[in-house]
Amino acid sequence: DGGITQSPKYLFRKEGQNVTLSCEQNLNHDAMYWYRQDPGQGLRLIYYSQIVNDFQKGDIAEGYSVSREKKESFPLTVTSAQKNPTAFYLCASSPHGLAEANTGELFFGEGSRLTVL
Amino acid sequence: EDQVTQSPEALRLQEGESSSLNCSYTVSGLRGLFWYRQDPGKGPEFLFTLYSAGEEKEKERLKATLTKKESFLHITAPKPEDSATYLCAVGGYNKLIFGAGTRLAVHP
Repeated sequence: DGGITQSPKYLFRKEGQNVTLSCEQNLNHDAMYWYRQDPGQGLRLIYYSQIVNDFQKGDIAEGYSVSREKKESFPLTVTSAQKNPTAFYLCASSPHGLAEANTGELFFGEGSRLTVL
Repeated sequence: EDQVTQSPEALRLQEGESSSLNCSYTVSGLRGLFWYRQDPGKGPEFLFTLYSAGEEKEKERLKATLTKKESFLHITAPKPEDSATYLCAVGGYNKLIFGAGTRLAVHP
């Protein structure tokens, strides 16, 4: 079945560590996104990519980094510079990027919950 | 400032008790309003897209409507399996803004 796979589902990080969240899609979508979800807040965009080897910062990119070396993969690294990383992280994809119509019809993965110890 | 506000934050219904969720928005250049369902610990699942005032979409017990300033998600005769958080998002040019969601609990 086509879809988005995120791993790991749960992750624990110690202070000062970098951690990487995996996101793989087999939908052949051009655009991929990383969102952060905190209780009582709407999803906030961290980074997005519309084509391979290109990505743009979202609203809360500080302390995060991404790469897009393959169309299918868009890993997110939470660096030690991110001061409050405990959150639920969601990866999504869509056939087209944010500048296109139907931009809100996103396909989401199951999420990764990161906890800082 | 672009903004999406959902109300109520939480809603408890008895099975069969119909109600509506609200999504009010301000955005320059609306390019669609989107509803999602999110189960606990899962990613959101896309439900509907609405593009223009007066438009309606239906799926099973759910009906979404749109005006120039807000959207409603009407739930008719809900069942316990409709319990979830419902998210609203508004598309502008090169941006997508999510509301905080409404947590719906339907009790038998």
